[in-house]
Amino acid sequence: QLQLQESGPGLVKPSETLSLTCTVSGGSISSSSYYWGWIRQPPGKGLEWIGSIHYTGSTYYNPSLKSRVTISVDTAKNQFSLKVNSLTAADTAVYFCARGEWLVLSDSWGQGTLVTVSS
Amino acid sequence: SSELTQDPAVSVALGQTVRITCQGDSLRGNYASWYQQKPGQAPVLVIHDKNNRPSGIPDRFSGSSSGNTASLTITGAQAEDEADYYCNSRDNSGYHWLFGGGTKLTVL
Repeated sequence: QLQLQESGPGLVKPSETLSLTCTVSGGSISSSSYYWGWIRQPPGKGLEWIGSIHYTGSTYYNPSLKSRVTISVDTAKNQFSLKVNSLTAADTAVYFCARGEWLVLSDSWGQGTLVTVSS
Repeated sequence: SSELTQDPAVSVALGQTVRITCQGDSLRGNYASWYQQKPGQAPVLVIHDKNNRPSGIPDRFSGSSSGNTASLTITGAQAEDEADYYCNSRDNSGYHWLFGGGTKLTVL
């Protein structure tokens, strides 16, 4: 059974860079059928797609976040990662990693990790 | 347009049928998916490719689409269906994803 698990700091300072990793188990990140994505949800608000990556390295980013976001994949570790720079309080959110296909953003989600941006 | 619009809240009596809608230009050329999210939990995919249910999703959930509007219908709503529902589709570029603002469903 596929499992995704986010890991990273729960508290980050404003202007710094957030780094999160999603570890995939029960399946290979190198499957050509799947895309691996990040979605976030500010407290009490809706979902926002951040970006997605294919194991070949092709990336797709939300235009509103593209200048601050980098998503990468490590096939040897079966992991993919998210970096968001120049953080502000508006980046405080639960960050989810997810697996999807070209026509479906996500059919499997991690449990999510709360990241708070505060000094 | 690069937005998907949903009603913020909808209610339904137990056992009755409810339709949750999602409007946006991107829906004219792209299928919608629907996610159910309960408090403190990750979203769960309930409908994809307009009207396909993943394994384990009850058949009381169905999807449809017409023009710029996609709909999620729950036929015979159950207490456990009370949740937030989000629609999702590709944008008109085909390379980015959009979410609706979410609809809070209350089962009375």
